[in-house]
Amino acid sequence: SAVISQKPSRDICQRGTSLTIQCQVDSQVTMMFWYRQQPGQSLTLIATANQGSEATYESGFVIDKFPISRPNLTFSTLTVSNMSPEDSSIYLCSAGRQGFGYTFGSGTRLTVV
Amino acid sequence: AQKVTQAQTEISVVEKEDVTLDCVYETRDTTYYLFWYKQPPSGELVFLIRRNSFDEQNEISGRYSWNFQKSTSSFNFTITASQVVDSAVYFCALRVLSNFGNEKLTFGTGTRLTIIP
Repeated sequence: SAVISQKPSRDICQRGTSLTIQCQVDSQVTMMFWYRQQPGQSLTLIATANQGSEATYESGFVIDKFPISRPNLTFSTLTVSNMSPEDSSIYLCSAGRQGFGYTFGSGTRLTVV
Repeated sequence: AQKVTQAQTEISVVEKEDVTLDCVYETRDTTYYLFWYKQPPSGELVFLIRRNSFDEQNEISGRYSWNFQKSTSSFNFTITASQVVDSAVYFCALRVLSNFGNEKLTFGTGTRLTIIP
């Protein structure tokens, strides 16, 4: 299984600012995803990060708010833009090969004040 | 519609007791995959098992076992002789194809398991 390094592990940010989260995988993978887990809730898929092209966003998530990059097969970033307290969540990167199991990063705990 | 239901929100058992976590899923796909993940208090998601829809054999791994029954659309998870380190939130997930043809995981709401020493 792929090993994922995600950083930062946590951050406290001011309202109105942006935070970029990085996800590095130790091997080439076909699929990379970004999830959000609000406090006490389940995981919700934000988008699929596509290598070399625009990410595919799920309903309720837009590129202006959550721009995503994936310049190669092992690295992706998620930016949470113009943050508000409602964006306080855990953000998780996931990666794997299509049709196989997916591993998750350790998550980024974001608090917006 | 693709859906995963974990009806048990929270379970508490005394250490060494057995405990079963329920998972019921809905999908129209004939080929699909089911997963269980563990999320301890530290927050990371730990992959436990993947099962495809054509393999209904039960699986045992140490103290963990899984019972997959297509007839009832269930994929239940049993921990035998529970230990305090088993305390975590457990998620069941279903691999589906998104509207764009990509695959993604749909998660249940999770079951918080507390093992009382």
